[in-house]
Amino acid sequence: QVQLVESGGGVVQPGRSLRLSCAASGFTFSSYGMHWVRQAPGKGLEWVAVIWYDGSNKYYADSVKGRFTISRDNSKNTLYLQMNSLRAEDTAVYYCARDVIVVVPAANSFYYYGMDVWGQGTTVTVSS
Amino acid sequence: DVVMTQSPLSLPVTLGQPASISCRSSQSLVHSDGNTYLNWFQQRPGQSPRRLIYKVSNRDSGVPDRFSGSGSGTDFTLKISRVEAEDVGVYYCMQGTHPLTFGGGTKVEIK
Repeated sequence: QVQLVESGGGVVQPGRSLRLSCAASGFTFSSYGMHWVRQAPGKGLEWVAVIWYDGSNKYYADSVKGRFTISRDNSKNTLYLQMNSLRAEDTAVYYCARDVIVVVPAANSFYYYGMDVWGQGTTVTVSS
Repeated sequence: DVVMTQSPLSLPVTLGQPASISCRSSQSLVHSDGNTYLNWFQQRPGQSPRRLIYKVSNRDSGVPDRFSGSGSGTDFTLKISRVEAEDVGVYYCMQGTHPLTFGGGTKVEIK
């Protein structure tokens, strides 16, 4: 069945790094855009980053730009999130989710169809 | 960035009664391709989010038909025709213009 499984979360000190992974199965991973979305304790959903199906484009939320890097290995059906210079406010459950990205060349724009498959999440706690 | 505002924040509902959640965007979500990329997600306690509705009014596979989405432009609504116990959770709207943004969530609980 279609599945996303995150791993790599844990407790880390401020300023340190962590790498999250998301293993995909049950679908053609290389055909989909992929997001990381996080949820701080007791809070709502916050989009973190997105990567195109072929890795050609990557975008980040302002809150993580310059510190986090999204990447993928389509040969391994795996998505990654490298998180550097972690802060207390990065404490959250991190979800990976797949999406269809609609490109409109005539308008030089693109849109997100909306995440239809989500992983179970992995918890990142940044604390000294 | 497009700001998504949901109301109410909390929605106590009697079992079997209808429920309605509003979502407003800070700008029109009708896009150059003629589509409106507005989604609704359900997050049950302790679970990952699950998409219920895409492009305003299209139900995802396996979603009960008591859930319906409507709206246009900047105003959107998720309706549950008859609330069941399994519908308890937080509901989020999300718009698909980059950068994508979520509403703050509406907590549905049983009275």
